[in-house]
Amino acid sequence: AQTVTQSQPEMSVQEAETVTLSCTYDTSESDYYLFWYKQPPSRQMILVIRQEAYKQQNATENRFSVNFQKAAKSFSLKISDSQLGDAAMYFCAYMNSDMRFGAGTRLTVKP
Amino acid sequence: NAGVTQTPKFRVLKTGQSMTLLCAQDMNHEYMYWYRQDPGMGLRLIHYSVGEGTTAKGEVPDGYNVSRLKKQNFLLGLESAAPSQTSVYFCASTFWRNTEAFFGQGTRLTVV
Repeated sequence: AQTVTQSQPEMSVQEAETVTLSCTYDTSESDYYLFWYKQPPSRQMILVIRQEAYKQQNATENRFSVNFQKAAKSFSLKISDSQLGDAAMYFCAYMNSDMRFGAGTRLTVKP
Repeated sequence: NAGVTQTPKFRVLKTGQSMTLLCAQDMNHEYMYWYRQDPGMGLRLIHYSVGEGTTAKGEVPDGYNVSRLKKQNFLLGLESAAPSQTSVYFCASTFWRNTEAFFGQGTRLTVV
């Protein structure tokens, strides 16, 4: 069964600085998709960024980018120029036939 | 366009009681999922469906049943509620495997 591991329960970053959240996954499949979702205190899940496994190029969305290492089964999220509004729980997700999530990383942004 | 709607938003059950949570989506999505979210454990997949009339077990299916008789609805049932099922339950849907998931607002269930 596919598993997703986020080894950092909590992370903290200074406003305007850069932070990287880690995610690893275990799968025997070659075709799959990876996502990062953000969950603020409102509990609403918000898509941050998406990566197709067949694409070698790392996805970017404005201040958010990923470092996708397929052989290492690693999918980290980099947030540049951190803002107070980035404070939230961040979940890494793996999708093939079903969609599995990691345990999450709580990000705190200090002013 | 309502997106994904969960009913109810809150519920308190006594041990042994049964209930059904309803998830409805109006986006013609093929895939639907039920998760439970507990502190420190992220979202754990209970059951999912890849199309009308299909269901499959996820990571933590015990104590739950599901049905997808209509494409737009995915029902989660608890036949005999236990305190261990106290959690926040989320429904989600996606059009296909590579598309964004849309989530309901969550259902906070307490079993006493």
